[in-house]
Amino acid sequence: GESVGLHLPTLSVQEGDNSIINCAYSNSASDYFIWYKQESGKGPQFIIDIRSNMDKRQGQRVTVLLNKTVKHLSLQIAATQPGDSAVYFCAENVSFKAAGNKLTFGGGTRVLVKP
Amino acid sequence: DAGVTQSPTHLIKTRGQQVTLRCSPISGHKSVSWYQQVLGQGPQFIFQYYEKEERGRGNFPDRFSARQFPNYSSELNVNALLLGDSALYLCASSHSVPGVPDTQYFGPGTRLTVL
Repeated sequence: GESVGLHLPTLSVQEGDNSIINCAYSNSASDYFIWYKQESGKGPQFIIDIRSNMDKRQGQRVTVLLNKTVKHLSLQIAATQPGDSAVYFCAENVSFKAAGNKLTFGGGTRVLVKP
Repeated sequence: DAGVTQSPTHLIKTRGQQVTLRCSPISGHKSVSWYQQVLGQGPQFIFQYYEKEERGRGNFPDRFSARQFPNYSSELNVNALLLGDSALYLCASSHSVPGVPDTQYFGPGTRLTVL
């Protein structure tokens, strides 16, 4: 399949180690945030989300941290596996006046897991 | 359960032509959004539809239009194609009413190449 991001920042991590991916968001009014994983040739896949009234949420092998003071999100992946190799995007929810909403995506980080 | 489906998978057009892309949301989801993803970047919001009404529009020219049908499926139309329209077009569906933050689930995308 085609490469999703040819010029993205890359995080190389040894299999079994923990990964931390960082993301800065722009809108202080954003109330909902999602991390997506995108493999080559596929659409973004939901990983984990967090609402603005929380600062931490855990899933299976993943943890999202939200720091609203500095408008920063992070995704931690425990015991990184080869199947975790992909591009990871953070997205913030922005609501419209007309009762709509959209996701605004960060630039993405490529994770390469070394065996 | 089937996820979001999109057709066609790949499409090649020439400049000036018109294209129609199709999307079927997850069963029970009434909201459909369209995103454009240029190689190396995160997805950019184009439209959101809910109950056949447009609820939001991104910063795209009028050559881009969309509609939603009574069965909640959707079409994205692009007229007078330009080389810069070459991208992965993603459809996402969500369960809740627009304006209420909720997870958007993405389809596999349609890869459009304009020659």
